[in-house]
Amino acid sequence: DSGVTQTPKHLITATGQRVTLRCSPRSGDLSVYWYQQSLDQGLQFLIQYYNGEERAKGNILERFSAQQFPDLHSELNLSSLELGDSALYFCASSPSPDREMAQYFGPGTRLTVT
Amino acid sequence: QQPVQSPQAVILREGEDAVINCSSSKALYSVHWYRQKHGEAPVFLMILLKGGEQMRHEKISASFNEKKQQSSLYLTASQLSYSGTYFCGTGAYSGAGSYQLTFGKGTKLSVIP
Repeated sequence: DSGVTQTPKHLITATGQRVTLRCSPRSGDLSVYWYQQSLDQGLQFLIQYYNGEERAKGNILERFSAQQFPDLHSELNLSSLELGDSALYFCASSPSPDREMAQYFGPGTRLTVT
Repeated sequence: QQPVQSPQAVILREGEDAVINCSSSKALYSVHWYRQKHGEAPVFLMILLKGGEQMRHEKISASFNEKKQQSSLYLTASQLSYSGTYFCGTGAYSGAGSYQLTFGKGTKLSVIP
């Protein structure tokens, strides 16, 4: 157990809908990262927050947005969902966004778009 | 730029050794290694820093060759529990000063009895 929690574990929704994925980082971690992992694909970096501020953006679609709240939990919002958005979405956290910091991953949210 | 991992997949018998390589076309500040078992979250193994020492996690060790811009993960006397997909992550600093990891496509390791 990494100490990172994600809810929900599974989400099934229809195309065109909007969903929100939630992540609570490990106690003391200020940095949160979001990754997308499609079937048999690697981990694609989406976006990173540090202490409430967006710090880096990866391959995140315009239909996706995220934020980190004052209590440090983060939410990833996915809208106008398409079939291709079906994937595992992982959240990870670290104390700070530095090169020597390990990222600890949550259990993931499996999103299925039908 | 995504690092390149090789091999893509490897099958070992218990007790055998394996090497997984991770190469980058860009200068490396650090290399992170993670293992992911099927249906589970990636788990942190170790980080190698530029100018740092070779690292070890149980019977798994790794090296970092800055000149060649590559890292290698060495699995010694493999156990069934080593099965999974191994990802290396290399990074770059964003404009805001945060370190951002890009992961390779992974190496699937299967250890059989």
